[in-house]
Amino acid sequence: NAGVTQTPKFRVLKTGQSMTLLCAQDMNHEYMYWYRQDPGMGLRLIHYSVGEGTTAKGEVPDGYNVSRLKKQNFLLGLESAAPSQTSVYFCASSYSRGGTEAFFGQGTRLTVV
Amino acid sequence: AQKITQTQPGMFVQEKEAVTLDCTYDTSDPSYGLFWYKQPSSGEMIFLIYQGSYDQQNATEGRYSLNFQKARKSANLVISASQLGDSAMYFCAMSVYNQGGKLIFGQGTELSVKP
Repeated sequence: NAGVTQTPKFRVLKTGQSMTLLCAQDMNHEYMYWYRQDPGMGLRLIHYSVGEGTTAKGEVPDGYNVSRLKKQNFLLGLESAAPSQTSVYFCASSYSRGGTEAFFGQGTRLTVV
Repeated sequence: AQKITQTQPGMFVQEKEAVTLDCTYDTSDPSYGLFWYKQPSSGEMIFLIYQGSYDQQNATEGRYSLNFQKARKSANLVISASQLGDSAMYFCAMSVYNQGGKLIFGQGTELSVKP
């Protein structure tokens, strides 16, 4: 059971470079989320999607874009990376909007130098 | 706005003893869920327990129980018979049903179990 898979697991970017993080889930979940985790701040929601073709802003959306072209995939893009985007990124998915647990990927550790 | 507060940055507990991790929440919406997740040093997020706002009884999952006090807006996690493997970061989270199911997390409590 793959569950939620994030690609890549680690990445180092130079300031100004762009990259895309891929999240894939094989549980046919409607809802998908991108979070970032910084020391002492818990997880903060970047963007989320309530179904294929939909996206919405979370708590900290600036500097990020997302797309959900296929139900099983949720992409997070950084157009011009900044050192402030150094963080651990988690993707999650859930079957329903709050009544069941969210399943998380293993995380992507991104360093912007 | 919804908010989760965990006031204990770090906790210590002796092996085999019980420990309570505090969580208070704030929402004006009547329909919500409360969750606890464990994050060991390896980094993955592990779901532990869930409590719905309309559930009459406190949720239990093995050694984990959620002490749900709706009037006080608290959702404390109780771990009974602590084990060394329980040493980890613990996050309380809330999801409001009419807001896309997004989880709002507290800042976490780091639990250390002493042998």
